[in-house]
Amino acid sequence: QQQVKQSPQSLIVQKGGISIINCAYENTAFDYFPWYQQFPGKGPALLIAIRPDVSEKKEGRFTISFNKSAKQFSLHIMDSQPGDSATYFCAASPTDNYGQNFVFGPGTRLSVLP
Amino acid sequence: DAGITQSPRYKITETGRQVTLMCHQTWSHSYMFWYRQDLGHGLRLIYYSAAADITDKGEVPDGYVVSRSKTENFPLTLESATRSQTSVYFCASSEREWIGWEQYFGPGTRLTVT
Repeated sequence: QQQVKQSPQSLIVQKGGISIINCAYENTAFDYFPWYQQFPGKGPALLIAIRPDVSEKKEGRFTISFNKSAKQFSLHIMDSQPGDSATYFCAASPTDNYGQNFVFGPGTRLSVLP
Repeated sequence: DAGITQSPRYKITETGRQVTLMCHQTWSHSYMFWYRQDLGHGLRLIYYSAAADITDKGEVPDGYVVSRSKTENFPLTLESATRSQTSVYFCASSEREWIGWEQYFGPGTRLTVT
């Protein structure tokens, strides 16, 4: 019930295309859903996050879509650029009993071809 | 400098030796975490701490020891290093933002056990 599933494992997109990464969860206590971006040799960094009271959040070219009934959320990267090439992790967390209940998906390696 | 730092950045040690990885944050965040990152496993939680003198196990705690006598420091000790502990180790600190618990990651320590 703690697991967050993420797909695809890797993704190759042409410059200017749309990158879509999907995640699914089971624990209904989760109420915070962030996405992290990690470049090679660096630590992960928060990209964008959403709470379940909204169905979509957009920041620049990055959009989270959230489907509470299906317990799924996804990251869309519009007009993908080579600089977006990185590993993306979805995550989920409850507000209470936070510590060990902050869980990451396994990651998606995105390559954007020039 | 403000932020979260890890030292050393790279470490090579021999099987059976004790090694300590350091983590320091300047924000006075209440929560701190240690993760290991291996290919195919994403980020796995080793230990976390909710406050000074409060620590608890994560998903993969065996062979590791932590302490947190001061809010800003969270060292991770491998008591007797094994080859299976070769990995990249990330420290993170966290505080409740308005949207949820955001985690801030350090740059990582690449540990090789020979």
